[in-house]
Amino acid sequence: GDSVTQMEGPVTLSEEAFLTINCTYTATGYPSLFWYVQYPGEGLQLLLKATKADDKGSNKGFEATYRKETTSFHLEKGSVQVSDSAVYFCAPIGSQGNLIFGKGTKLSVKP
Amino acid sequence: DGGITQSPKYLFRKEGQNVTLSCEQNLNHDAMYWYRQDPGQGLRLIYYSQIVNDFQKGDIAEGYSVSREKKESFPLTVTSAQKNPTAFYLCASSIRRLDEQYFGPGTRLTVT
Repeated sequence: GDSVTQMEGPVTLSEEAFLTINCTYTATGYPSLFWYVQYPGEGLQLLLKATKADDKGSNKGFEATYRKETTSFHLEKGSVQVSDSAVYFCAPIGSQGNLIFGKGTKLSVKP
Repeated sequence: DGGITQSPKYLFRKEGQNVTLSCEQNLNHDAMYWYRQDPGQGLRLIYYSQIVNDFQKGDIAEGYSVSREKKESFPLTVTSAQKNPTAFYLCASSIRRLDEQYFGPGTRLTVT
């Protein structure tokens, strides 16, 4: 069935470090892919998306490229800030037309 | 400002009581969704609706019920049949079924 695998957290980085959060998925065809971010006690916010192979989604310094060969959608940011501390969710659209969520990756950025 | 509102932010109930969580959107979106989130976990789909007066069960619908009488509103009732109702509940909407979803701020339900 459809599934998504994200790297286990928590991930702890110093401010201005490079961030990579790995995401791979199993789904039928070439689904749209999304990254969402959740700050403590809040709902999810759409961070970026890609709707077809080789698309690059970007927003607020974050980027992710839709790699159909490796069924991956890794999230990257060149220089993280303390304000980026949150939980990040990779979510493809599954064969039933619903978003498939993994457990999320918690990021903590220290000053 | 357009958006999704959920109320209340915190809700406390006694075991055996039904409780209804509110979700309203003014984005003119056709599709709406309810998710449940448990600590350290991802989101699990409870119910979704693609149009008014129509809704479908998600992965964990048992013990929950919904209605969609208006495009803007998609209330969720947590019934006494739900064995572990304490959780964070998130409502979302999208223009259409396969589009990106926008989330409300969530309601944290505690049942004792």
